Amino acid sequence: EIVLTQSPGTLSLSPGERATLSCRASQSISDYLAWYQQKSGRAPRLLIYDGSSRATGIPARFSGSGSGTDFTLTISSLEPEDFAVYYCQQRSNWPITFGQGTRLEIK
Amino acid sequence: EVQLLESGGGLVQPGGSLRLSCATSGFTFSSSAMSWVRQAPGKGLEWVSAFSGIGEITHYADSVQGRSAISRDISTNTLYLQMSSLRVEDTAVYYCAMRGSGKWYFDYWGQGTLVTVSS
Repeated sequence: EIVLTQSPGTLSLSPGERATLSCRASQSISDYLAWYQQKSGRAPRLLIYDGSSRATGIPARFSGSGSGTDFTLTISSLEPEDFAVYYCQQRSNWPITFGQGTRLEIK
Repeated sequence: EVQLLESGGGLVQPGGSLRLSCATSGFTFSSSAMSWVRQAPGKGLEWVSAFSGIGEITHYADSVQGRSAISRDISTNTLYLQMSSLRVEDTAVYYCAMRGSGKWYFDYWGQGTLVTVSS
């Protein structure tokens, strides 16, 4: 099973600041990685797939990068609605696995 | 518009069984790949099971392998998850999710149904 480790666990920033979230895989997964945003009490929303492709309707301030084992989700300038929990997910091997999440909170 | 609506959750005793349903609309269900993902209270996301549209191949997480069965009814566009020998650690919100492209990412999600396993 591929383990995804996200860091930091919690990130405290202010609106307008840049957010950088990390996801590290226990073995190479090429670019078979997605990022999701989840707000309290809601279902997750797909943001990024294949490492760097934005899903339909996702604002350009969200970008993804990386390949192999190290991946990054960047939010260029935080909006108030961006404060949420973010998960990475790999599709390289079965079972599909998720990272444990990064909570992005308002400072 | 793609819609996924889960039902069937509730309170069940350890060792009991439950069948979750996901009613779908707005897309061609027969050729779509679907999955169940769960989230224990206050915890992260855990993939549970998958059903590929074409070929009807199924996959299961080790945590539910042998205790769960994913299936579908094309006539009613409904996805199911039959769960048995339920454990306290199966307590979670269960989401139905659809693969929107030919890749195993989840573009569409239902609102979830809560399963509580407790005596």
